[in-house]
Amino acid sequence: NAGVTQTPKFQVLKTGQSMTLQCAQDMNHNSMYWYRQDPGMGLRLIYYSASEGTTDKGEVPNGYNVSRLNKREFSLRLESAAPSQTSVYFCASSEFSGVPKKVFGPGTRLTVL
Amino acid sequence: SQKIEQNSEALNIQEGKTATLTCNYTNYSPAYLQWYRQDPGRGPVFLLLIRENEKEKRKERLKVTFDTTLKQSLFHITASQPADSATYLCALDDGSARQLTFGSGTQLTVLP
Repeated sequence: NAGVTQTPKFQVLKTGQSMTLQCAQDMNHNSMYWYRQDPGMGLRLIYYSASEGTTDKGEVPNGYNVSRLNKREFSLRLESAAPSQTSVYFCASSEFSGVPKKVFGPGTRLTVL
Repeated sequence: SQKIEQNSEALNIQEGKTATLTCNYTNYSPAYLQWYRQDPGRGPVFLLLIRENEKEKRKERLKVTFDTTLKQSLFHITASQPADSATYLCALDDGSARQLTFGSGTQLTVLP
């Protein structure tokens, strides 16, 4: 039982490049989330998926897209990376969207030059 | 706009003492308040949840209080140990799918 896994752990991109961050959970959770964490700002919600087949914007969705591939997997795509997207990205899941406790992955540290 | 403030960025205490961390909020009506622990290079780990109609919650050496009138939560670690050193995040949840708002955290260091 690995919980929430994320790949890659680290990534360096040049401005304008694209990439996809992968997330998977093995807890049979229905809801999944993408957050970014920046120094002094706390975790901010980018997108979430309340259930398989649905996705919704969070607080800071601009510059990102998501795909809920199946119940287990939720990916985050940066189409044209910008230095402002340098951050640590965390994927999380919860049993249902109304269940407050969230399980977080280990994070992906992204640097955009 | 909604705002969460955690009392300080860093808190140092001596081993064995009680650590008290503060979380204040404005312009929010949370259904729940949660506390998470985050170690360097890792994701947050859920510790405790307290509901709006609860005043206090305990789990082993941890205690959380929630005062919706003062709009404040206190997080206590009794008999603190160096292994308790980490960043502690408070988070407010209005019970909907998206609204988990995090504070920026307090870095706790327990000195041996």
